Amino acid sequence: GESVGLHLPTLSVQEGDNSIINCAYSNSASDYFIWYKQESGKGPQFIIDIRSNMDKRQGQRVTVLLNKTVKHLSLQIAATQPGDSAVYFCAERKNTDKLIFGTGTRLQVFP
Amino acid sequence: NAGVTQTPKFRILKIGQSMTLQCTQDMNHNYMYWYRQDPGMGLKLIYYSVGAGITDKGEVPNGYNVSRSTTEDFPLRLELAAPSQTSVYFCASFRAGHPYEQYFGPGTRLTVT
Repeated sequence: GESVGLHLPTLSVQEGDNSIINCAYSNSASDYFIWYKQESGKGPQFIIDIRSNMDKRQGQRVTVLLNKTVKHLSLQIAATQPGDSAVYFCAERKNTDKLIFGTGTRLQVFP
Repeated sequence: NAGVTQTPKFRILKIGQSMTLQCTQDMNHNYMYWYRQDPGMGLKLIYYSVGAGITDKGEVPNGYNVSRSTTEDFPLRLELAAPSQTSVYFCASFRAGHPYEQYFGPGTRLTVT
């Protein structure tokens, strides 16, 4: 089953630094992995996705890395800005039209 | 396009009361989903629909019901509210073939006391 947590892990970074947010997934049969950003009081917003046959994908200021050997997904944000402060969720799709979401990581950006 | 809209934004219910959370999308998406998000947690899938007239259970369907009579609307019904249903509810939709790019509504914050 999924791991759940009572407290969100928090990553604090200084403005301008790079951020790395990590996620462990559970099912080796998952074929898509997605990162979402959720700002306070809003619904999640799609950031970037990666297929299971890839190990890296880049977007605008973001890079997603997939390590299938250890079932690990990471989101790298370059030159982190105050507007990047949010909770970040990874999600996996297991060959269906349903997504399984992780518990999230809170990113705090300080000046 | 308004995207995905949800009403109400906030609601307080007494135990045993019923209510319907409304969700509407204007993007002609086939797929629609209802999630709940408890404090400090990820999203749990309640119900989903792959098209008008078709619905299916997600991870946590107990205590909820849905219907999908049109492409645009996907209401979520709580029949006998319980404190365990206190949560934030999100509706989402996507185009067939792009399930990873789900568009989420702003959420409904429900408190059951």
